[in-house]
Amino acid sequence: DIQMTQSPSTLSASVGDTITITCRANKNLNNWLAWVQQKPGKVPTLLIYDTSILDRGVPSRFSGSGSGTHFTLTISSLQPEDFATYYCQYYDSTSKTFGQGTRVEVK
Amino acid sequence: EVQLAESGGGLVQPGRSLRLSCGASGFNFETSEMNWVRQAPGKGLEWISHITWSGRVAFYADSVRGRFTISRDNAKAELFLDMNSLRAEDTAIYYCVKESSRGYYLDMWGQGTLVTVS
Repeated sequence: DIQMTQSPSTLSASVGDTITITCRANKNLNNWLAWVQQKPGKVPTLLIYDTSILDRGVPSRFSGSGSGTHFTLTISSLQPEDFATYYCQYYDSTSKTFGQGTRVEVK
Repeated sequence: EVQLAESGGGLVQPGRSLRLSCGASGFNFETSEMNWVRQAPGKGLEWISHITWSGRVAFYADSVRGRFTISRDNAKAELFLDMNSLRAEDTAIYYCVKESSRGYYLDMWGQGTLVTVS
């Protein structure tokens, strides 16, 4: 089974900061890696798929990179609406696996 | 506009059964792969099941395999999750989630329905 490990679990930051969240897998993901944002009390939404492709309407301050087993989500110039929990997610034709989540909080 | 509307959640006793439904609109449901994802209170996201567009093949997480059954009615654009032998640890918000037509990633989530097993 694919295991996904995100770090950090919590990240304290200020508006305007650039932050990076890391996601590691125990197997090669073939770049089938997505990032999902969930604001408090809200439904999760897709940010990035196939490691680095932004979903429609996602601001360009979000970027994804990586390959193999190591992936990152970077948010440049953090905005107030970006304080949320972020999940990496592996996907293939038969299953999906989420990381445990990274909560981005106000410093 | 893509819409996914879950229903059927509620309070149920341990060991009992419950059926969740998800009505879909705004996209070609009959050619879309569909999933259920859940989130226990204060916890992260857990994928639990996927069904192919035809409904002929389904996949499950180990935590629910043998107890939960996913199915669909393409004529009515509805997705279902039959949950049996419910446990306290099944308490969660259950999301109906559409898979992209261009890949295996999940691109649209419903609002979710809360299941409480107590």
